[in-house]
Amino acid sequence: EVQLVESGGGLVQPGGSLRLSCAASGFTFSTYWMTWVRQAPGKGLEWVANIKQDGSEKYYVDSVKGRFTISRDNAKNSVYLQMSSLRAEDTAVYYCAREHCGGGSCYSPAYGMDVWGQGTTVRVSS
Amino acid sequence: SYVLTQPPSVSVAPGQTASITCGGNNIGSESVHWYQQKPGQAPVVVVYEETGRPSGIPERFSGSKSGNTATLSISRVEAGDEADYYCQLWDTSSDHAVFGGGTKLTVL
Repeated sequence: EVQLVESGGGLVQPGGSLRLSCAASGFTFSTYWMTWVRQAPGKGLEWVANIKQDGSEKYYVDSVKGRFTISRDNAKNSVYLQMSSLRAEDTAVYYCAREHCGGGSCYSPAYGMDVWGQGTTVRVSS
Repeated sequence: SYVLTQPPSVSVAPGQTASITCGGNNIGSESVHWYQQKPGQAPVVVVYEETGRPSGIPERFSGSKSGNTATLSISRVEAGDEADYYCQLWDTSSDHAVFGGGTKLTVL
């Protein structure tokens, strides 16, 4: 079964740090771009960051640039999101997602997110 | 930054067709994807690359695009289709993914 399982969420004080993990199974992890998406309470979906198969390309939404770092370990079939200098507005459910390969090609993250984890909750509060 | 505009809400009677729009400048040059999210659940892709339908998604779900607007159509709407729907694309000019604000579909 194709599956993504996030972990690492929790309550953290403003200015603190947290590392989210996403463990993949049931597919060849190293073949796919991977993405983090978040959803603040009662709000819509917001793309956070993504990473290419070999980690050579990484992109971030402007609001987290310089504070969050996405990485992956293909040997462990895992993708991570290191979050620092956390703010109240970072409070959200964080989802890990796999980027679909369009037409058999996986060279771009432009083909939609076809597998999602169940999410992990991050709450930033004093 | 790129903005995708969706109506906040759409209402439809059971058995009718729901149409949810997604507008954006130059949307015609990018692939648009659609996600369904039910309360307390993770999103699920229902249409990718405008018209593609993942396995397991009913044929009642279809996508189209014309000019600067993409549309998700749900025919023969059922109570179980009640959910939030989001459009999304990859903006190649900024290397950012963008989501629309979401549309709450209510089945009357």
